Amino acid sequence: GAVVSQHPSRVICKSGTSVKIECRSLDFQATTMFWYRQFPKQSLMLMATSNEGSKATYEQGVEKDKFLINHASLTLSTLTVTSAHPEDSSFYICSARGGETPGPADTQYFGPGTRLTVL
Amino acid sequence: EDQVTQSPEALRLQEGESSSLNCSYTVSGLRGLFWYRQDPGKGPEFLFTLYSAGEEKEKERLKATLTKKESFLHITAPKPEDSATYLCAVQAAGNKLTFGGGTRVLVKP
Repeated sequence: GAVVSQHPSRVICKSGTSVKIECRSLDFQATTMFWYRQFPKQSLMLMATSNEGSKATYEQGVEKDKFLINHASLTLSTLTVTSAHPEDSSFYICSARGGETPGPADTQYFGPGTRLTVL
Repeated sequence: EDQVTQSPEALRLQEGESSSLNCSYTVSGLRGLFWYRQDPGKGPEFLFTLYSAGEEKEKERLKATLTKKESFLHITAPKPEDSATYLCAVQAAGNKLTFGGGTRVLVKP
């Protein structure tokens, strides 16, 4: 139980293009989803928090016009990196929380991550 | 501002050599402390949640404990498959998790 998927697992794109990453909770309804970014050998940095049906809350320093987040349903959130540049290359990981999951309350369950490379 | 510090940054163990990882935290109003395991190129895998000082949780060779200032993850008689990065995170008021830098554990056969 409490499985979160991400698609795609890897994406390579040209500079200036946009890339969409999907995050799905497969066996529970996620009232809240989170997007993180992780650089090599570093820990996770929260980018934004989204609740179903409302606008995402972005962390300080994260450009909301560049990283568009949509949480359209209780099982799906998307992150779109607009006009991607090489400095956006990173490992993006989503997590989901809420509903009836086997773990303790407030536990975030993470997806497998998406490796973005911008050429 | 919530802060989480993990030590050591890296740990090399021989198979069967027990050890402990430390997670020190500063947070206003702890709602929960979480331990995750992360393998290279993958997302974190949930291990434990601890809510109050004195609480302990166990899973196979892992045992997590919590005091008012820190948490320990004890690895008993580790095996090579326990090699991973172990992440500690705290949650105060609200939804956000604040992560430590992680401890990279390598268990050699």
